[in-house]
Formats: sequence, C-alpha cells, structure tokens
Amino acid sequence: AQSVTQLGSHVSVSEGALVLLRCNYSSSVPPYLFWYVQYPNQGLQLLLKYTSAATLVKGINGFEAEFKKSETSFHLTKPSAHMSDAAEYFCAVSDRAGYSTLTFGKGTMLLVSP
Amino acid sequence: NAGVTQTPKFQVLKTGQSMTLQCAQDMNHEYMSWYRQDPGMGLRLIHYSVGAGITDQGEVPNGYNVSRSTTEDFPLRLLSAAPSQTSVYFCASRQGARSSPLHFGNGTRLTVT
Repeated sequence: AQSVTQLGSHVSVSEGALVLLRCNYSSSVPPYLFWYVQYPNQGLQLLLKYTSAATLVKGINGFEAEFKKSETSFHLTKPSAHMSDAAEYFCAVSDRAGYSTLTFGKGTMLLVSP
Repeated sequence: NAGVTQTPKFQVLKTGQSMTLQCAQDMNHEYMSWYRQDPGMGLRLIHYSVGAGITDQGEVPNGYNVSRSTTEDFPLRLLSAAPSQTSVYFCASRQGARSSPLHFGNGTRLTVT
C-alpha cells in the first residue's frame, strides 16, 4: 500500500520568507500526488496535483511543487509567505492502478509570524 | 454550487448510541469516501464507494457501516458509538479517474461521551 511521509508537524516562517513543506512517498512506480490545504473548521481544498506531465506543478495562491522521482519527493514551496497562508497542509498519494484510494500524510501546520 | 454537503455539522452521542452521518454530492461523481481526522494522525480512510451498489473498506472500517443506493448519497452509520470514535468526519467525492482531485465536505464534528 502507498504511504506518504510529511517531515515536520509544524513549520514556522516569517511573513515574506520562503515556505518549504516536505513530502516523500513510498512507491517504485510514480503515483499521482496531491497537496491539500485546510483552514480552521473547514474541509480540505486542492492546492495542486501531479499526474505525469511537467515535474514542476503550479497551484493556487502562489504555491508550487516539484516531483523528483530519484528522491521520491514532492515538496511544496512558496517564495514569499503571507499571513493568510497559515493553515494545515496535507500531502496525499494515489496509485495509478486498481480502485485507487487517496492516502494522506499526517499534515504540517504552517505558522506565519509578522 | 452545493458540491459535497454533510449533515449534521456537530453531534454529541452517548456510548452505545447509533447514528447516521449524511453525505450528498450534486456533481454526479462516481467515487465517494469517508475519512476521519484526528490530531496528529492526518486523514484515515474509513470506507469508500466506486459507484452505486459498490462499497469497500478503507484503513479503519471497524464500527462503521456504509451503503450506496444512489450516486448522490453515501451515508455513514455508527452502529454502537464508542469514545474512540470521537473525531471529525469528512465525506469526499471525485470523478472516476484516479488523477481527479477529491472534493470535500465541511465535516461533522462528533463527540462520544
């Protein structure tokens, strides 16, 4: 079964600083990869997804992620953090075959200080 | 656009009681699923369905039942609530393709005392 590891349950940055949230997956075959964001008391919203086209994927709100097969990674970045980026971020993975379910990482809480 | 609608938003149960969490989507999605979210655990899949009449177990199915009689609805039943089922429950749906993103409801916060 697929698994995904998010390094760091909490990441703190200053407003304007680079945001880097890490995600590694376990699969010998590149899966479909997703990043979701959850604001307090809300459901999850899709930020971006990788399905096999360009390895650098651009999402909403200025976020992007790069798929690196050699490192089995799909890290999320944003050049300049904004206060409104404070939320919990989830990396998720889905196999390309079978009745594929979506497996989530444990999440990383992004804290942005002024 | 309604998307995925979950009811109720909040619920308090006593141990041993039963209840049904409702989920409806208006996007004609084939795939529907239920997750529970607990602090530090991320989201864990309870049950899912790939179409009307077809359901399967996820990672944490014990204590929960589902059925899918229509494309739109996917209710989750707690047969005999336990304190360990205190959690936030999310329903999510997507089109059939595995590369399609999940669309989430706003969740049901359940407390079992």
